Amino acid sequence: ETGVTQSPTHLIKTRGQQVTLRCSSQSGHNTVSWYQQALGQGPQFIFQYYREEENGRGNFPPRFSGLQFPNYSSELNVNALELDDSALYLCASSLGGSGEKLFFGSGTQLSVL
Amino acid sequence: QQPVQSPQAVILREGEDAVINCSSSKALYSVHWYRQKHGEAPVFLMILLKGGEQKGHDKISASFNEKKQQSSLYLTASQLSYSGTYFCGTKGGGATNKLIFGTGTLLAVQP
Repeated sequence: ETGVTQSPTHLIKTRGQQVTLRCSSQSGHNTVSWYQQALGQGPQFIFQYYREEENGRGNFPPRFSGLQFPNYSSELNVNALELDDSALYLCASSLGGSGEKLFFGSGTQLSVL
Repeated sequence: QQPVQSPQAVILREGEDAVINCSSSKALYSVHWYRQKHGEAPVFLMILLKGGEQKGHDKISASFNEKKQQSSLYLTASQLSYSGTYFCGTKGGGATNKLIFGTGTLLAVQP
């Protein structure tokens, strides 16, 4: 148990819809990173939030956006869903924003039909 | 620029040893190792920083050669609980936790 919780655990959407995924970070952690993991692949970095500001982004289009709240929980929003967005979305919290040990949640499995 | 891991998969008997390699084409600041069991979250194993240090945790250790941009994970006297997919995550400079994860190595330990 890492203390990082994500909701929902599973989600089915249709192409073109919008989705919001949620993450509660481990107590005391001020940094949240989001990763996308396609089946059989390693996680891919989407972006990171440190003290409510996005301070790093991977190679994902602007329709992937996020928020971090004062309690350091976070949301990942994806607009105009595409079939290729089907994946496991992992949230990871950490004590700091650079090169830290990551504590992953169990993820949200998103299926886009 | 995704690190390449080898082997892709390995099957062991309990008590046997294994080595998993991670190779990057880019200069590295640190290498992070995680294990992910099927349907579960990746779990942190260790971080290796520049300097060629070798770290260990129980019977799992790792080395990092920054000149060769390579890291190796050593599993000694494997246990059933070691089964899972192992990922190396590489980090260049920059003030983020952005890791570029490798292709993964599936390890199956059999009784």
